[in-house]
Amino acid sequence: AQKITQTQPGMFVQEKEAVTLDCTYDTSDQSYGLFWYKQPSSGEMIFLIYQGSYDEQNATEGRYSLNFQKARKSANLVISASQLGDSAMYFCAMRPAYSGAGSYQLTFGKGTKLSVIP
Amino acid sequence: DSGVTQTPKHLITATGQRVTLRCSPRSGDLSVYWYQQSLDQGLQFLIQYYNGEERAKGNILERFSAQQFPDLHSELNLSSLELGDSALYFCASSVVPTGNTGELFFGEGSRLTVL
Repeated sequence: AQKITQTQPGMFVQEKEAVTLDCTYDTSDQSYGLFWYKQPSSGEMIFLIYQGSYDEQNATEGRYSLNFQKARKSANLVISASQLGDSAMYFCAMRPAYSGAGSYQLTFGKGTKLSVIP
Repeated sequence: DSGVTQTPKHLITATGQRVTLRCSPRSGDLSVYWYQQSLDQGLQFLIQYYNGEERAKGNILERFSAQQFPDLHSELNLSSLELGDSALYFCASSVVPTGNTGELFFGEGSRLTVL
């Protein structure tokens, strides 16, 4: 079974500063995928960034980067130059290995609520 | 806009009642996933359908059922509703995963309030 742990229920960051949201995971799969989603107060789930377990480089998408440390089983999200619109819940999630006709539902962590202070 | 459509967006009903939530996946996506998001349980996987067939079950109560129709839209039926069923219900869809990240595309959710 896969498990995602996000230990920070809430975080504050000053506007224009960088912030790191922690995520650790547990799986026995050798191949897997890691995701970060953003959920603003309006409720929709917005995909931010993806990291494959065999990807050698850390993923980056604009101001978002994923600090992937496979040996430590961590996949922290780094948001640079925080903006007021970054205030939201952030969820780390994991997909299992691909295996024929398997199911690839994502397992989510409990989330971290990020508040950006002007 | 993810391309996944969920209706209704909001629903208020009474205990003991039955409701149906509807989901239209992105064009071309064969897989539909249902998730329940509540304050105390977070995002919980309920059930997945792939091209009309049930593929995986998660923490879905026996009072809940789902199906995926030939046109690939899906419905989640919730019956004998209890106060604790109040939650945000998400539908998500994905492409066949081969060569793909497996990203799920989420609808905006259906917020169910049971009074």
